[in-house]
Amino acid sequence: DAGVIQSPRHEVTEMGQEVTLRCKPISGHDYLFWYRQTMMRGLELLIYFNNNVPIDDSGMPEDRFSAKMPNASFSTLKIQPSEPRDSAVYFCASSFMGFTEAFFGQGTRLTVV
Amino acid sequence: SQQGEEDPQALSIQEGENATMNCSYKTSINNLQWYRQNSGRGLVHLILIRSNEREKHSGRLRVTLDTSKKSSSLLITASRAADTASYFCATDEDDKIIFGKGTRLHILP
Repeated sequence: DAGVIQSPRHEVTEMGQEVTLRCKPISGHDYLFWYRQTMMRGLELLIYFNNNVPIDDSGMPEDRFSAKMPNASFSTLKIQPSEPRDSAVYFCASSFMGFTEAFFGQGTRLTVV
Repeated sequence: SQQGEEDPQALSIQEGENATMNCSYKTSINNLQWYRQNSGRGLVHLILIRSNEREKHSGRLRVTLDTSKKSSSLLITASRAADTASYFCATDEDDKIIFGKGTRLHILP
């Protein structure tokens, strides 16, 4: 397996634009996590899914953020409209059976100007 | 929410020395994990220790867990330049993996 795959690796967008981040988890993993990393706040858990169902989205900062997992091999995190304070590195991670070893993607570095 | 709090925030040591990082957490846990993050990369799992374990080894890594003090430590022995990275502890909250802010470790040649 190629590991967790995220796209794009880098995204620069203008304030107000819609941004969609994509993630392909490791095949067979039943948990998927979206994190945001900034210097100020560290790694924040935004939302996680179990068997494609969102379990806890309490970390999603605002209604501008939404996440979907239409099937076991794909998830998206959407920001609409984007703001400069959304600039961060966004990570997707997957695991088998909850709090076990999580495998991280390489992240998407988002810059909103 | 952030459960774990790593200490120190940053650490610089000479190559060959041992590096110790600590993690304190607030509420009861079932398991605790340590991860490494190299600059510009995703996190990589190092070791998981269960609440009924006190110590665990993996190569040059030694992790201890003291549930009475709600703390854990990560020891890297005989450090190498390649150990330069940020190290995070992670605690479980239901099935969620919650990370601390990490310790930045720099190995000096």
